[in-house]
Amino acid sequence: QVQLVQSGAEVKKPGSSVKVSCKASGGTFSSYAISWVRQAPGQGLEWMGGIIPIFGTANYAQKFQGRVTITADESTSTAYMELSSLRSEDTAVYYCARDLGLYSSGGDAFDIWGQGTMVTVSS
Amino acid sequence: QLVLTQSPSASASLGASVKLTCTLSSGHSSYAIAWHQQQPEKGPRYLMKLNSDGSHSKGDGIPDRFSGSSSGAERYLTISSLQSEDEADYYCQTWGTGLGVVFGGGTKLTVL
Repeated sequence: QVQLVQSGAEVKKPGSSVKVSCKASGGTFSSYAISWVRQAPGQGLEWMGGIIPIFGTANYAQKFQGRVTITADESTSTAYMELSSLRSEDTAVYYCARDLGLYSSGGDAFDIWGQGTMVTVSS
Repeated sequence: QLVLTQSPSASASLGASVKLTCTLSSGHSSYAIAWHQQQPEKGPRYLMKLNSDGSHSKGDGIPDRFSGSSSGAERYLTISSLQSEDEADYYCQTWGTGLGVVFGGGTKLTVL
């Protein structure tokens, strides 16, 4: 069974950047879109963007355009999300999630979730 | 604009059934959605993908107590024989080409 394992918790200063990783194990990586979703404390889920590793081009939610970069390394079956110019409102748990279907450039249900990575932004 | 609307809260008694609703915005009534469960202090868990015709495909290990149905722009999640571990937040998710991915605000289910 495919599992997504994320990197550990981070504490960052305002204005800095954070890069979170998401490693897939147990199945095909390159042909399924990986998305990043965040959840601020006590709030709902918010989609940030995604990438299909074999195509290499990411798409982003308008809210995060210019501040987030999503990449994927097929050789290590790992996706990355880098968020820059951090502010306190970026304090959240960040999840990666995999699409249910192959090559779903138009989107699909997320059937596999990573365990989440807590990012705290504080001076 | 693609929007999903959920009631903030719902409650039902242990052993009873509950039906949660997720409503698609105008012009998007044919869209499929997914339901996810988030138990307290845990990450989301995929329950099912639900199509506009009511057909659905559940995730691995999801009990038969969880089922989905559709009517127009409404998508439903029915949980029967409620158990204490069903107390959780339930989110619907949809997507569209060029529209990205959208989540509903979530429904907090309390099992009485």
